[in-house]
Amino acid sequence: AQRVTQPEKLLSVFKGAPVELKCNYSYSGSPELFWYVQYSRQRLQLLLRHISRESIKGFTADLNKGETSFHLKKPFAQEEDSAMYYCAATNAGGTSYGKLTFGQGTILTVHP
Amino acid sequence: EPEVTQTPSHQVTQMGQEVILRCVPISNHLYFYWYRQILGQKVEFLVSFYNNEISEKSEIFDDQFSVERPDGSNFTLKIRSTKLEDSAMYFCASKGRIYGYTFGSGTRLTVV
Repeated sequence: AQRVTQPEKLLSVFKGAPVELKCNYSYSGSPELFWYVQYSRQRLQLLLRHISRESIKGFTADLNKGETSFHLKKPFAQEEDSAMYYCAATNAGGTSYGKLTFGQGTILTVHP
Repeated sequence: EPEVTQTPSHQVTQMGQEVILRCVPISNHLYFYWYRQILGQKVEFLVSFYNNEISEKSEIFDDQFSVERPDGSNFTLKIRSTKLEDSAMYFCASKGRIYGYTFGSGTRLTVV
């Protein structure tokens, strides 16, 4: 079964500290991985997608196929990073019509 | 950047009543989706819509649910007879080649 797992429901760090939000996936084929961010019950916003290999707001994520992981990292957390973060996956091809499977989400709180 | 628009932002309805949640996807997008997020839980896929028909649906999407794209612009989710457990945030999304997956800001449905 297709599954995305975020083991930490809550993560608290202090401003300036490094942060890593974990994501593991179990997917057949070659999935496409994403990180979405949701600020204070607003819309889901795309943060990163693994195929673009870019850095947004200082966040990066590397796809590790051996460990089936797509952890989100930032070297120096800021207070404005406090939000809910979702890891999501979809099958790049096949017949899934682009359905996203989400992890449980991690609430990141950055303390001053 | 274009946006997906959802109305209303909040809907309160009595149990057993029908509700219609409305979405205006990004023009030129070809794939349309509805997702649900019950308070405190993860985002769950409901249904995908392509070429004027349902392409995939989850087990949540039972006979009480239906989707329509009545005029080539709007994309609606109808719940025929609402139950208390239908209370959730409902997100519409559309997908295209340039902007990829884009979510709306959601409709909070409260069934009383």
